[in-house]
Amino acid sequence: SQQGEEDPQALSIQEGENATMNCSYKTSINNLQWYRQNSGRGLVHLILIRSNEREKHSGRLRVTLDTSKKSSSLLITASRAADTASYFCATVLSSYNTDKLIFGTGTRLQVFP
Amino acid sequence: EAGVAQSPRYKIIEKRQSVAFWCNPISGHATLYWYQQILGQGPKLLIQFQNNGVVDDSQLPKDRFSAERLKGVDSTLKIQPAKLEDSAVYLCASSLGRPGTQYFGPGTRLLVL
Repeated sequence: SQQGEEDPQALSIQEGENATMNCSYKTSINNLQWYRQNSGRGLVHLILIRSNEREKHSGRLRVTLDTSKKSSSLLITASRAADTASYFCATVLSSYNTDKLIFGTGTRLQVFP
Repeated sequence: EAGVAQSPRYKIIEKRQSVAFWCNPISGHATLYWYQQILGQGPKLLIQFQNNGVVDDSQLPKDRFSAERLKGVDSTLKIQPAKLEDSAVYLCASSLGRPGTQYFGPGTRLLVL
């Protein structure tokens, strides 16, 4: 079953605007990751935030994590047409011999030039 | 550095036929994963290999799906016989160690008619 649920399911904005996507998850985590998937292509790792971190930045990306609410958000600032893609959050469930990525349902972002 | 390679990129078969997918991970990556991504959903882990041993196949439909990783490098995923609901993108990923960032291939898009 899906661990995370992204919100909104779809988002359309103009170039230059900011895009915010939210992710909620169900169980305790070690870390949470965000991935991007362009149409017809594989997933690309964007950023990882650990459970003891509250905020992390990478270029135009800002990720926050609230473990008390079991939620995370991804902010893309000054969006570009090339940011058009689906964005997924993924939580890592670790056991003694596996690290299972559990993906959410994704947010489809459309950035219009 | 070469990325994860997968072939074929597209495959169309009729139900009850068999199909095989191939994955070549990034050189030196010990961990290899196969995911199934149904349209509109996030990827779901099917099987995880550590070198040439299976460490998690709890979500692999073993009555029809099989996977192997010979010599701890390349891997093949087979479906026999295929069902309509197997139509999906099959993604292969690899990581250097545990836990590690997973690098995804472009995927194989399967359509079962």
